[in-house]
Amino acid sequence: QSALTQPPSASGSPGQSVTISCTGTSSDVGGHNYVSWYRQYPGKAPKLMIYDVTKRPSGVPDRFSGSKSGNTASLTVSGLQADDEADYYCSSYAGSNNLVFGGGTKLTVL
Amino acid sequence: QVQLVESGGGVVQPGRSLRLSCAASGFTFSSHGMHWVRQAPGKGLEWVAGLWFDGTNKYYADSVKGRFTISRDNSKNTLYLQINSLRAEDTAVFYCARDVYSYGPYHFDHWGQGTLVTVSS
Repeated sequence: QSALTQPPSASGSPGQSVTISCTGTSSDVGGHNYVSWYRQYPGKAPKLMIYDVTKRPSGVPDRFSGSKSGNTASLTVSGLQADDEADYYCSSYAGSNNLVFGGGTKLTVL
Repeated sequence: QVQLVESGGGVVQPGRSLRLSCAASGFTFSSHGMHWVRQAPGKGLEWVAGLWFDGTNKYYADSVKGRFTISRDNSKNTLYLQINSLRAEDTAVFYCARDVYSYGPYHFDHWGQGTLVTVSS
């Protein structure tokens, strides 16, 4: 399985919105609605932020939203805050009991 | 609250074996798919293995097939990962993770703190 493609970095100023893309193929992102997004602080375990493309787990602020168009999924963080600075990973079910992660995006709050 | 606590990591010589454990609490363990995800130092996340809520279906990333074996004991609320023929490239933090669903691999809504496996002579 090939990793999903994410930009290595993204940035925005406090209060702004930023969108991180996650590009796969018709075998993974485009073929299933099992896309997730995770936030990871340095040295910590990842945290689920979005699942099933658009759903937010309990406790995740509505500043975080997910979407998908074709083979590309996106995570949008609105109203950027300092503690949004972290690494973000997407993942997708890839069929045949396989799952693939993206390479990760380092989000910097300027 | 949901807790996942991994153990069993350490420094191991190439070619040796290791068994990781993940003790679960705070939820109905037998209702969820479970997984192992690893992260090499300074690198991204890599899903390596998972199994259904009842352990009847197990699945692996191509990169570890034949060397890793995942299992669970629902009576002990514990997940395991047997790693054989360890290689330097297996050096990573190994996370235990709970699937949102009974099957999977789909989404991981709770993670352990991770256990570090270092393969070195």
